Amino acid sequence: GAVVSQHPSWVICKSGTSVKIECRSLDFQATTMFWYRQFPKQSLMLMATSNEGSKATYEQGVEKDKFLINHASLTLSTLTVTSAHPEDSSFYICSARQEEAFFGQGTRLTVV
Amino acid sequence: RKEVEQDPGPFNVPEGATVAFNCTYSNSASQSFFWYRQDCRKEPKLLMSVYSSGNEDGRFTAQLNRASQYISLLIRDSKLSDSATYLCVVSDSGTYKYIFGTGTRLKVLA
Repeated sequence: GAVVSQHPSWVICKSGTSVKIECRSLDFQATTMFWYRQFPKQSLMLMATSNEGSKATYEQGVEKDKFLINHASLTLSTLTVTSAHPEDSSFYICSARQEEAFFGQGTRLTVV
Repeated sequence: RKEVEQDPGPFNVPEGATVAFNCTYSNSASQSFFWYRQDCRKEPKLLMSVYSSGNEDGRFTAQLNRASQYISLLIRDSKLSDSATYLCVVSDSGTYKYIFGTGTRLKVLA
């Protein structure tokens, strides 16, 4: 079946540095991918919709300059958390759809 | 009001029990409905889609009531391996966005 691969699965970084997370659709092309964030014991919250070849669409309250999204090809979207701070520590998950949504394995980001 | 609401639980049930989860959604234009399962520190995985006529997959039955904007999931003969968080997901056909409920935690006890 279709698979979405996300990398890295976990990362620890220092406050003020930037972290890039990759999301790949392995056996299908995805013109649209979605990025979610999940804090402990909370729901997945949609951050932005990544559109191949055009700008991402951000949800209300999500800073586009802080969470940079690039969707340069039909199989790859990247999310860069710039100048990360401890409050950005969370579980970040990407998703791509065929008939159903498939999710990447998630990236657990810890900012120290 | 949240777009998708679920009772967070936890529901602690003995093996073999039948348990039901409910979910309500606020957007009457929603077109697609799903139940996802999420294990601790893992990504969500599709359990089943939910259709207006109701659908069943083995021990799992999902129902949709559009008039009441209500979705349910019934699990019969619970297994220890059913322990997880069950996420109600709603999507509208225009945006393809998935809106997740907070999830309902289930713990099946031996």
